[in-house]
Amino acid sequence: QVQLQESGPGLVKPSETLSLTCSVSGAAMSGYYWDWIRQSAGKGLEWMGRIYSGGTTTYHPSLKGRLIMSVDTSKNQFSLTLDSVTAADTAIYYCAREAYVWDSPRLRNYWYFDLWGRGALVTVSS
Amino acid sequence: DIQMTQSPSSLSASVGDRVTITCQASQDIRTDLNWYQQKPGNAPTLLIYDASNLHKGVPSRFGGSGSGRDFTLTITSLQPEDIATYFCQQDDSHPLTFGGGTKVEV
Repeated sequence: QVQLQESGPGLVKPSETLSLTCSVSGAAMSGYYWDWIRQSAGKGLEWMGRIYSGGTTTYHPSLKGRLIMSVDTSKNQFSLTLDSVTAADTAIYYCAREAYVWDSPRLRNYWYFDLWGRGALVTVSS
Repeated sequence: DIQMTQSPSSLSASVGDRVTITCQASQDIRTDLNWYQQKPGNAPTLLIYDASNLHKGVPSRFGGSGSGRDFTLTITSLQPEDIATYFCQQDDSHPLTFGGGTKVEV
């Protein structure tokens, strides 16, 4: 059974860096995209970005410049760092696996989040 | 960014009722639309992908339809365990975006 588990500090001071790690158990990371999604009362569910098992990243434009994702397939982990945090970054942070199905008649993939971690609440406060 | 608008934001229904939730995209997204269910205190779980394909293990009382800009999630006979918040999500283009959610209560 594949499981994802977020870990990291639950409290971060304003202007500092938020760091989270997602540990993947029960399956290899190869061939998938691995995403971070956060959920707050104010913004709902917000996709932050993704990293391929090979290291290619795509970030939400609103977070570019503050967000860095990395992956370590030997440890079956991927990570997020978010710089210069403010109270607006207070949220539950989820890691998720992005999988796809290949539709051969239509010659295209359909992507979706098929596995999620339990979520890590991160509060930005002094 | 593609905006996803769900309605209603909440609804109250009885066990056995047919429940319909709609999601509208701000532009044509073909059938690149997923639906998730989130129970309190838990992460979302996938119900439907590609607008109408049931994810493995999801009960057949859940169904999805639509293409282009307008989509629907239907629960044909609401069960007590279906009390949750439902979200749509487009995967047509980055940044991926979610609807605001529909809270289903009894």
